[in-house]
Amino acid sequence: EIVLTQSPTTMAASPGEKITITCSASSSISSNYLHWYQQKPGFSPKLLIYRTSNLASGVPARFSGSGSGTSYSLTIGTMEAEDVATYYCQQGSSIPRTFGGGTKLEIK
Amino acid sequence: QVQLKQSGPGLVQPSQSLSITCTVSGFSLTSYGVHWVRQSPGKGLEWLGVIWSGGSTDYNAAFISRLSISKDNSKSQVFFKMNSLQANDTAIYYCARNTMMNYFDYWGQGTTLTVSS
Repeated sequence: EIVLTQSPTTMAASPGEKITITCSASSSISSNYLHWYQQKPGFSPKLLIYRTSNLASGVPARFSGSGSGTSYSLTIGTMEAEDVATYYCQQGSSIPRTFGGGTKLEIK
Repeated sequence: QVQLKQSGPGLVQPSQSLSITCTVSGFSLTSYGVHWVRQSPGKGLEWLGVIWSGGSTDYNAAFISRLSISKDNSKSQVFFKMNSLQANDTAIYYCARNTMMNYFDYWGQGTTLTVSS
């Protein structure tokens, strides 16, 4: 099983601040199979970034993703209030599919 | 448009089973797999299993003895059943559509399950 470890687990950012969340995999993953989701309280998870760096439909350009091998990251270029959510990475490389533990992002 | 709509009970007694139906629209189950994911209160996302477009299944080893996923392509329905429920199975259960690169592009609204006597 591929274990995904996200950091930090929680963080608070000011509006306009740049945010980076990391996702570390226990085994190397093709960048084609690392994806990110955004979940706001009371809602289902929403696809944010697929295949490491591709924005899902309707996702603002301030979001970006990068990485390879065992190290991946999600960046928000300028924090906005609407970005308050929990973010999860997910690997689609092998069964069982696994998610990172989540990063809860709050606003200062 | 693509939709996944879930139906199922909200409250189940310990040792009983859970059945959820995920009814899809906007795509065919013969072309896409459907996964099941749960989220325990205040916790992260846990993958449970998948039924592939061809009808084969894969399960999380932790649940393989008490989990079953099946489907009816003609009715666009996927069926989730988990047996021998305990309090720690209290969670929100989601169905989600699989894509070629194995991400979940559409999710159901979630079924909130409470296991309690």
